[in-house]
Amino acid sequence: QQQVKQSPQSLIVQKGGISIINCAYENTAFDYFPWYQQFPGKGPALLIAIRPDVSEKKEGRFTISFNKSAKQFSLHIMDSQPGDSATYFCAVLDSGGGADGLTFGKGTHLIIQP
Amino acid sequence: DAGVTQSPTHLIKTRGQHVTLRCSPISGHKSVSWYQQVLGQGPQFIFQYYEKEERGRGNFPDRFSARQFPNYSSELNVNALLLGDSALYLCASSLAVDSNYGYTFGSGTRLTVV
Repeated sequence: QQQVKQSPQSLIVQKGGISIINCAYENTAFDYFPWYQQFPGKGPALLIAIRPDVSEKKEGRFTISFNKSAKQFSLHIMDSQPGDSATYFCAVLDSGGGADGLTFGKGTHLIIQP
Repeated sequence: DAGVTQSPTHLIKTRGQHVTLRCSPISGHKSVSWYQQVLGQGPQFIFQYYEKEERGRGNFPDRFSARQFPNYSSELNVNALLLGDSALYLCASSLAVDSNYGYTFGSGTRLTVV
């Protein structure tokens, strides 16, 4: 059973546009929702993370929107730049459920066209 | 400050062999986690160690083992290698087990089993 479903699998956005990536989860025990950015040959880098007590968090051009009732969260990249072209992963964690580690989505390959 | 360092960066092994991968966490970080990332997929949790004790284990066979040393560095060992073990192995460090501190990933070890 896939604990977190990420969409779309790939995304092409024009420079200056808004990139939106979505994730849905099933387990209501999850309480930590990070987004990671990964470039080829590198490990994932934490972009931004949110906890279920807030509905939105913004850091620079990156925003997480969180809908607890729908069990969904999304990443918005404003004013997308060619340097944002990378693979993005959402992840979930149950902090109180023992050390089960982060569960990642399958990733979204984002291309920003100049 | 040095980030999470992993060695070696690349490795080629033959089926049936044994491999040891190494990770040095960020200075001051006491928790180390290991993840396997197969090409085109999100990372999958293998182990988490904190203060030299195993705190969590993912759904991996007993051929996979790990340990953490007094200086908080860690080793991941894989016995009887299979072709399917070919992947990028990622180490993540954190101040503690609590997700409040976030997880920082290294660039990984690319293991190829032939």
